[in-house]
Amino acid sequence: GESVGLHLPTLSVQEGDNSIINCAYSNSASDYFIWYKQESGKGPQFIIDIRSNMDKRQGQRVTVLLNKTVKHLSLQIAATQPGDSAVYFCAETANTGNQFYFGTGTSLTVIP
Amino acid sequence: GAGVSQSPSNKVTEKGKDVELRCDPISGHTALYWYRQSLGQGLEFLIYFQGNSAPDKSGLPSDRFSAERTGGSVSTLTIQRTQQEDSAVYLCASSSWGLAAREQYFGPGTRLTVT
Repeated sequence: GESVGLHLPTLSVQEGDNSIINCAYSNSASDYFIWYKQESGKGPQFIIDIRSNMDKRQGQRVTVLLNKTVKHLSLQIAATQPGDSAVYFCAETANTGNQFYFGTGTSLTVIP
Repeated sequence: GAGVSQSPSNKVTEKGKDVELRCDPISGHTALYWYRQSLGQGLEFLIYFQGNSAPDKSGLPSDRFSAERTGGSVSTLTIQRTQQEDSAVYLCASSSWGLAAREQYFGPGTRLTVT
């Protein structure tokens, strides 16, 4: 079956630095990827998405990079703020199915 | 407008009892998902409803789990004869067009503890 995993389970960064969170996926048929942010006691919140026909997409302070050759996804957060502290999940889905497959998550801690 | 709501927020039950978890999706959203999140883990897909179509139940872990969606809106996830391994946070999400829109709005979850 599919698996979505993260390279690092925890990440600590200094406030103001840039953060990079990585994700590996195994299903080459996946064509849509999402990054979610989950704060303690809350449900995941959509951050940014990317389709497989793109390799980069930018949002406000966030950038998602997709490397289909090595099945790798990353989330870059610019000028990380204390409010960015949360668990970040990547999710993938293929156009042929209804299921989204989520990674284990990376816990980001921003040090003031 | 209101987001996705779930009730109860916390549920403690004894092993062997049945529980019902409720999800109120965003009004007008035709797609509804249930997920399970164990401590320190990612989200495990359970079931997907889209409009009046037959639900995708492929993620339900056993026949003790079932879900209904009445009138295309509120959904109830039922776990019969609960086991300790059922302890987790159960998350509900809705979206406006299912896969076409892809963006899911999540509720805060129900934390289920089976003692």
